[in-house]
Amino acid sequence: AQKVTQAQTEISVVEKEDVTLDCVYETRDTTYYLFWYKQPPSGELVFLIRRNSFDEQNEISGRYSWNFQKSTSSFNFTITASQVVDSAVYFCALSESQGGSEKLVFGKGTKLTVNP
Amino acid sequence: EPEVTQTPSHQVTQMGQEVILRCVPISNHLYFYWYRQILGQKVEFLVSFYNNEISEKSEIFDDQFSVERPDGSNFTLKIRSTKLEDSAMYFCASRLAGGLTPTDTQYFGPGTRLTVL
Repeated sequence: AQKVTQAQTEISVVEKEDVTLDCVYETRDTTYYLFWYKQPPSGELVFLIRRNSFDEQNEISGRYSWNFQKSTSSFNFTITASQVVDSAVYFCALSESQGGSEKLVFGKGTKLTVNP
Repeated sequence: EPEVTQTPSHQVTQMGQEVILRCVPISNHLYFYWYRQILGQKVEFLVSFYNNEISEKSEIFDDQFSVERPDGSNFTLKIRSTKLEDSAMYFCASRLAGGLTPTDTQYFGPGTRLTVL
């Protein structure tokens, strides 16, 4: 069965610090997708990134970067030079792509607080 | 930029009442989903819908729940007889296509907060 673990429940940093959010997943499939979503205090879910299981290249988008390591089943998310606006709950999610509905299985989320 | 919309943003109802939550997915998307998030908890899958039928549902999605795409644009979630434990944020999501394509991202609506008293 699919499972996503975000062991960090809450993280608090001071602005401009770098912070890494951990995500470990379990799946029996060889083909799957991994996602990160951001949920700001307003409550909506904002898509950040999708990575498929065949692409282990790390990705950088501005201050955001993602480190995908199949060997450790991890898909970690780093925010460089954090800002107060980064304060949110961040969810890692997994979907399998084997002809099913490709539903998302979410982790419990990590609440990030960036203090000025 | 196209987006998923949901109405109402907040619904308050009495236990035992029926509620209908409405969603308008992105217009050319083919796959539709409902998820829920009990306050402070993770987002949980309820049901997926494709080609006018349910493709997958979770254990949460029991006989009290139903989904419908009545007119080709709206996608609704109905709870027949609400319980206190149905209080949650309900998210609708849509996706363009399936399989190993670049269009596998599910885009979420802003959610409907359901409060059952």
